[in-house]
Amino acid sequence: NAGVTQTPKFRVLKTGQSMTLLCAQDMNHEYMYWYRQDPGMGLRLIHYSVGEGTTAKGEVPDGYNVSRLKKQNFLLGLESAAPSQTSVYFCASTQPPPYEQYFGPGTRLTVT
Amino acid sequence: GDSVTQMEGPVTLSEEAFLTINCTYTATGYPSLFWYVQYPGEGLQLLLKATKADDKGSNKGFEATYRKETTSFHLEKGSVQVSDSAVYFCALSEDYKLSFGAGTTVTVRA
Repeated sequence: NAGVTQTPKFRVLKTGQSMTLLCAQDMNHEYMYWYRQDPGMGLRLIHYSVGEGTTAKGEVPDGYNVSRLKKQNFLLGLESAAPSQTSVYFCASTQPPPYEQYFGPGTRLTVT
Repeated sequence: GDSVTQMEGPVTLSEEAFLTINCTYTATGYPSLFWYVQYPGEGLQLLLKATKADDKGSNKGFEATYRKETTSFHLEKGSVQVSDSAVYFCALSEDYKLSFGAGTTVTVRA
């Protein structure tokens, strides 16, 4: 049972490049989330999904897009990377209630 | 909206010392409360949870009690070890979204 996995683990991009982060969960959870973690700011919600085919904006959605074509996968895209998107990105999933979330190991992204 | 305020760090302790990390929350209803731990280079792991007032969550020697009257969920451990060095996050959930505190970095010295 792998839980929540993320690929890649590390990535360096140049400004303006694009990339997709993949999150996969094998727990049959309905809800999935993308967060970014920056020093001193805790975790901030980028986008989330409450089921296959649905997505919604979180606290800091600008510059990101997401898709949930399959229940087990949640993709985060950066169309034109900016240095402000340098961060550690975490994916999480959950089932109701009490909605305790299970996190992946993270992707460290650097945009130069 | 819902929010969580937790004690700022960093906190540095000696082994076998007592640890307390304060956490207070603001919520419109009756949230579930969580403590997550993040070890260096890893993702967040659920440490303990409480889903209603007066519930006590416990795990790995850590405890926290859901206090509705003071809107608090303070984390405690009676005797810390070097392996407890990590970042600790308090969080609440009223529906399917979590609101996190900023995190408290704890370093335990041998």
